[in-house]
Amino acid sequence: DVVVTQTPLSLSVTPGQPAAISCKSSQSLLHSDGKTYLYWYLQKPGQSPQLLIYEVSNRFSGVPHRFSGSGSGTDFTLKISRVEPEDVGVYYCMQSIQLPWTFGQGTKVEIK
Amino acid sequence: QVQLVESGGGVVQPGRSLRLSCAASGSTFRRYAMHWVRQAPGKGLEWVAVISYDGSNRNYADSVKGRFTISRDNSKNTLYLQMNSLRVEDTAVYFCAQYSSVWTALGYWGQGTLVTVSS
Repeated sequence: DVVVTQTPLSLSVTPGQPAAISCKSSQSLLHSDGKTYLYWYLQKPGQSPQLLIYEVSNRFSGVPHRFSGSGSGTDFTLKISRVEPEDVGVYYCMQSIQLPWTFGQGTKVEIK
Repeated sequence: QVQLVESGGGVVQPGRSLRLSCAASGSTFRRYAMHWVRQAPGKGLEWVAVISYDGSNRNYADSVKGRFTISRDNSKNTLYLQMNSLRVEDTAVYFCAQYSSVWTALGYWGQGTLVTVSS
């Protein structure tokens, strides 16, 4: 199985400040079709996960521009340019290049 | 906008069975693969199973292979998860999610249904 490792596991951020979460996979997520199968989800308290970023760097419909994704191969980063109170929750990266799809452990983001 | 509503969760004894359902709104259900993802209490997300748009292909996590069966009825816009030989470690909130080839991602998720396996 592809192991996906996130760091840090928790983050406390002052509103208006940036935040970054790292995600590393045990093997390259670049497929022969040219796509990289790495995704970011946010699970707000008491809610189901919601898609933020698909294929490394593409924002899903309705996702604010303060969220951005980058990276390649096995190393990826989710950045929030200016954290807002509604950004609290647990962020997960996920790979789907190979079954079983696997998630990172999650990064809990709190507001200071 | 796609809406997914899970049902069928509850408390069940180890070794017993339960069937979860996921009702989808809209006309896109039959076009896309569907997944089940679970989350044990206080834990992270675990992918469980996938079924192709027409039901011809299915895959499972090793942890549920041979015990769980994913199926769908496109005429009813409904996804199912038949869970047999349940174990305490199957206790979790089960989410259904729709895959979209547009984003190659699980773009829509249900609210989840809680399954508790306990004697």
